Amino acid sequence: GAGVSQSPSNKVTEKGKDVELRCDPISGHTALYWYRQSLGQGLEFLIYFQGNSAPDKSGLPSDRFSAERTGGSVSTLTIQRTQQEDSAVYLCASSLVQGAEKLFFGSGTQLSVL
Amino acid sequence: GNSVTQMEGPVTLSEEAFLTINCTYTATGYPSLFWYVQYPGEGLQLLLKATKADDKGSNKGFEATYRKETTSFHLEKGSVQVSDSAVYFCALQRSQGAQKLVFGQGTRLTINP
Repeated sequence: GAGVSQSPSNKVTEKGKDVELRCDPISGHTALYWYRQSLGQGLEFLIYFQGNSAPDKSGLPSDRFSAERTGGSVSTLTIQRTQQEDSAVYLCASSLVQGAEKLFFGSGTQLSVL
Repeated sequence: GNSVTQMEGPVTLSEEAFLTINCTYTATGYPSLFWYVQYPGEGLQLLLKATKADDKGSNKGFEATYRKETTSFHLEKGSVQVSDSAVYFCALQRSQGAQKLVFGQGTRLTINP
């Protein structure tokens, strides 16, 4: 597609349920990022994929969070046993080359945990 | 650690007013600095950047100068338009080729006709 696509755009779930968020990066982009934007907060880095290298998971807030990237393209962010503090906008971004000089962001998934 | 602090919003201005959105940073070494913009219903997109001290980034009438002495990268525009209404994010990259950006909290700008 023309841009980074994220789905769903909105997700409402109950506390304790698992959720999966999907990101389709721009075709050919080797780097993929997940960020989280909580109300009144800046963008918080979660995880970074670059090609076939091991991902940088240093931003994941707990072991309830995981992400994978299949075939170097589509990525899925999974949150297990969701908590109310997980409510946020989850943003995916991709870039053509390694390094973050120019990121292309999706419109995000608004996650609400009731 | 590396961090970015932006002026708190929201900011509301009239069309043709002068805009300044303050951004200061804390970083070791020589970071690159960026402004990203998020228009309503769209993803963040790069507005401008500067990679070394005294560089000026510019785009769409916006400018920001990398001031190492004051660790700042304030965003300015001489005459804003309604279409500039958006959320603006200041960000730093620890060094060229570094893997991630550190973002500020964003400043919501509303321009009234």
